[in-house]
Amino acid sequence: EIQLQESGPGLVKPSQSLSLTCSVTGYTITSGYDWSWIRKFPGNKMEWMGYISYSGSTNYNPSLKSRISITRDTSKNQFFLQLNSVTTEDTATYYCARYSWGPHYFDYWGQGVMVTVSS
Amino acid sequence: DIRMTQSPASLSASLGETVNIECLASEDIYSDLAWYQQKPGKSPQLLIYNANSLQNGVPSRFSGSGSGTQYSLKINSLQSEDVATYFCQQYNNYPLTFGSGTKLEIK
Repeated sequence: EIQLQESGPGLVKPSQSLSLTCSVTGYTITSGYDWSWIRKFPGNKMEWMGYISYSGSTNYNPSLKSRISITRDTSKNQFFLQLNSVTTEDTATYYCARYSWGPHYFDYWGQGVMVTVSS
Repeated sequence: DIRMTQSPASLSASLGETVNIECLASEDIYSDLAWYQQKPGKSPQLLIYNANSLQNGVPSRFSGSGSGTQYSLKINSLQSEDVATYFCQQYNNYPLTFGSGTKLEIK
């Protein structure tokens, strides 16, 4: 069974960096698919943040492009989110998810981790 | 970016009723649309892809339709377990974008 699990600090100070880990079991992230980060803000708005593909290429939402980095550790079957210079507007629940190409959809999601940006 | 306008924001209906949720894309997305259900405290689950294809294991009371810029999700015979927030998501172009969600409650 494929499972994704987010981990990371639940509280980050403004201007600092937010760092999260997605640990994947049941599937090797270098075998296929795109591995995404998505966030849900208070009030329900959902935002796709970006992905790292099975080959290691990345694609980011232009709204975040100067602040975001998605990397991976293939030996641990994990991928990571780093978001720099956070503000209170980055307070959200962060999800990692697998994106299928044919057909296209997010077929596996982590349970989500709530991150609050506050001093 | 393709903007997805979802309506209504909230919906209250009785058990057994039929409900419809709409998504309007800011441009033609050629049926590149998925619908997700998110129950309280859980992660989103795929219901529909390609605008009208039912994901394996999803009850047949869920159906999707639409084309061009207008899409809808229909839930027949509303059940108590359908209480959730529903999102549409387009994958015609990057960045992938979501509707603002519809919170469904039982009267």
